[in-house]
Amino acid sequence: DAGVIQSPRHEVTEMGQEVTLRCKPISGHDYLFWYRQTMMRGLELLIYFNNNVPIDDSGMPEDRFSAKMPNASFSTLKIQPSEPRDSAVYFCASSLTEAYTGELFFGEGSRLTVL
Amino acid sequence: SQKIEQNSEALNIQEGKTATLTCNYTNYSPAYLQWYRQDPGRGPVFLLLIRENEKEKRKERLKVTFDTTLKQSLFHITASQPADSATYLCALPPSSSSNTGKLIFGQGTTLQVKP
Repeated sequence: DAGVIQSPRHEVTEMGQEVTLRCKPISGHDYLFWYRQTMMRGLELLIYFNNNVPIDDSGMPEDRFSAKMPNASFSTLKIQPSEPRDSAVYFCASSLTEAYTGELFFGEGSRLTVL
Repeated sequence: SQKIEQNSEALNIQEGKTATLTCNYTNYSPAYLQWYRQDPGRGPVFLLLIRENEKEKRKERLKVTFDTTLKQSLFHITASQPADSATYLCALPPSSSSNTGKLIFGQGTTLQVKP
């Protein structure tokens, strides 16, 4: 399996623009997680899905952020409008079971820079 | 809420020595704890999971301990090699409920193994 695939790997945009990050989880994994990593705050969970249904979005910073999972093989994280403070590395991860029984498989991340 | 403390200062050791990294947590004791490795520009990679009823777990040169009294996990790499140089993250559930599917991560400790 190719692992968790994220795109784009790098995105540079200007404040106010819409940003869409994409993720393809490992086939057969029921759980999908979106994390954000910054030097100041470390790795933060934004939202996670189980069987394509959002379970907990309490980590989503504000209404400018939205995430969807239209099917088992694809998820998007959208920021509209983007702001400089959104600059971070966004990771998608998937797992076969809940985290307490198994590992998370992370993608390589999408590095977002908002100017 | 749960707080995870990992030494923010980098750990520098000589090749062949044992590296010991610490993960302390506050509040409740989690049902399990995970350790991940992260290389620069890459996503975290799962290493080990240890449950509350397991005092110690080993995998090749890696050993993890879990002391629920001290609220601490120790991560050991024996016979360290320069290739072990990376940032190591501990992760655990954010609440006493272990079935939320969520993981919160420490800030990580960077290990540098010198030849």
